[in-house]
Amino acid sequence: NAGVTQTPKFQVLKTGQSMTLQCAQDMNHNSMYWYRQDPGMGLRLIYYSASEGTTDKGEVPNGYNVSRLNKREFSLRLESAAPSQTSVYFCASSGKAGETQYFGPGTRLLVL
Amino acid sequence: QKEVEQDPGPLSVPEGAIVSLNCTYSNSAFQYFMWYRQYSRKGPELLMYTYSSGNKEDGRFTAQVDKSSKYISLFIRDSQPSDSATYLCAMTTNAGGTSYGKLTFGQGTILTVHP
Repeated sequence: NAGVTQTPKFQVLKTGQSMTLQCAQDMNHNSMYWYRQDPGMGLRLIYYSASEGTTDKGEVPNGYNVSRLNKREFSLRLESAAPSQTSVYFCASSGKAGETQYFGPGTRLLVL
Repeated sequence: QKEVEQDPGPLSVPEGAIVSLNCTYSNSAFQYFMWYRQYSRKGPELLMYTYSSGNKEDGRFTAQVDKSSKYISLFIRDSQPSDSATYLCAMTTNAGGTSYGKLTFGQGTILTVHP
């Protein structure tokens, strides 16, 4: 039982490049979330999926897209990376929307 | 004004001290309150979860909620060096059911407990 896994752990991009962050959970959870964490800003919600087949914007969605591939997997895509997207990205899941969220280990992204 | 305010610290205490971590919030619709602990270069992990005003105790940790003052606290008794981490408060307007309950986090307080 791995919980929430994220790949890659670390990535360096040049401005304008694209990439997809992968997230998977093996807890049979319905809801999944993507956050970014920046110094002094806490965790800010980018996108979430309350259940398979649905996605909605969070607090800071600009520059990102998401795909809920199936119940287990929720990916975050940066189409054209910008230095302002340098951050640590966390994926989380919960049994139902609003219940306790379990976090992955994070992806550190540096955009040059 | 942010919906949730948390003193970022850093806070440095000697081993054995009582630690008090606090958050204030402005949205009176928040009903459920959580404390997460985050070790360096790791994801946050849930420490405490409460939904009513008053105290909830779990070992050395006590979560306190005062909805009338819109104020929550986490107390750590007999603090240990292994408690050194960032502590994040989080809150939501609902939990369970079919409605989405978005978590709103504080900025996090960096705690160091030195031997």
